[in-house]
Amino acid sequence: DADVTQTPRNRITKTGKRIMLECSQTKGHDRMYWYRQDPGLGLRLIYYSFDVKDINKGEISDGYSVSRQAQAKFSLSLESAIPNQTALYFCATSDPLLTGGELFFGEGSRLTVL
Amino acid sequence: AQRVTQPEKLLSVFKGAPVELKCNYSYSGSPELFWYVQYSRQRLQLLLRHISRESIKGFTADLNKGETSFHLKKPFAQEEDSAMYYCALVGAGGTSYGKLTFGQGTILTVHP
Repeated sequence: DADVTQTPRNRITKTGKRIMLECSQTKGHDRMYWYRQDPGLGLRLIYYSFDVKDINKGEISDGYSVSRQAQAKFSLSLESAIPNQTALYFCATSDPLLTGGELFFGEGSRLTVL
Repeated sequence: AQRVTQPEKLLSVFKGAPVELKCNYSYSGSPELFWYVQYSRQRLQLLLRHISRESIKGFTADLNKGETSFHLKKPFAQEEDSAMYYCALVGAGGTSYGKLTFGQGTILTVHP
C-alpha cells in the first residue's frame, strides 16, 4: 500500500545537537510538507516543497532547514536543537490533480530536546 | 491572513448524545475546508471536506459563509468517535493546495 514513512519515530536529544528527521513516500506525489504539532496550537507548517527543485518556508521555519533529495524524500533538519523544538513532527504529501487539497500524513516523529 | 479557530480544546459527551465540534475561519476568498481526525495511535487522516457534501462515519459539516463556520456534527456519538479533530482551511485552487491552515484541535471524548 502506498505510504508515507517517517524515521525516526522517537528521538531524544540534547540542546545544541543536530537532528535530521526523514520522510519517504511511495505515493508518487510531487508535493511534500513538514508540520509541527503542539498541544493547544494545532499543526503549523514548517516547510513545503511542490517539486524537487522547489522549497518554500512555512509559517514557522526559523531554526529548521529542509532538503528534497528526490521526489520521494524530504528531510527536515534542526541544525542546533533547542528545548522549544520539542514536539511531534509530521510529514505529509499531496497531489492536487488526483485528490484536491487532501494531505496524506506519516505517523509522526516525536522529538524531545533536553 | 487565513485563520482557523476551534474554540473548544476538550469536548466530552456520552454515547448516543449529539455532538458538535465548532470551527470558525477567517479568509478573504473562497476557501476549501476540511475536517481531519487523529485516532489514538493512528496517523492523521481526512474525515471529510466541504466540497464533497458527504457524510462520513455519521459526521456531517456544512459550510456557512455568512457565519464563516464549518461545524462538525453527529447526531448520535459513539465511543469509537473519541479522537482529536482538526478543522483546516486552504485557499481554493493551484499553488495554495496543501498549504493547509489548521485549527488548534479539539479532543473529543465519548463516554460509555
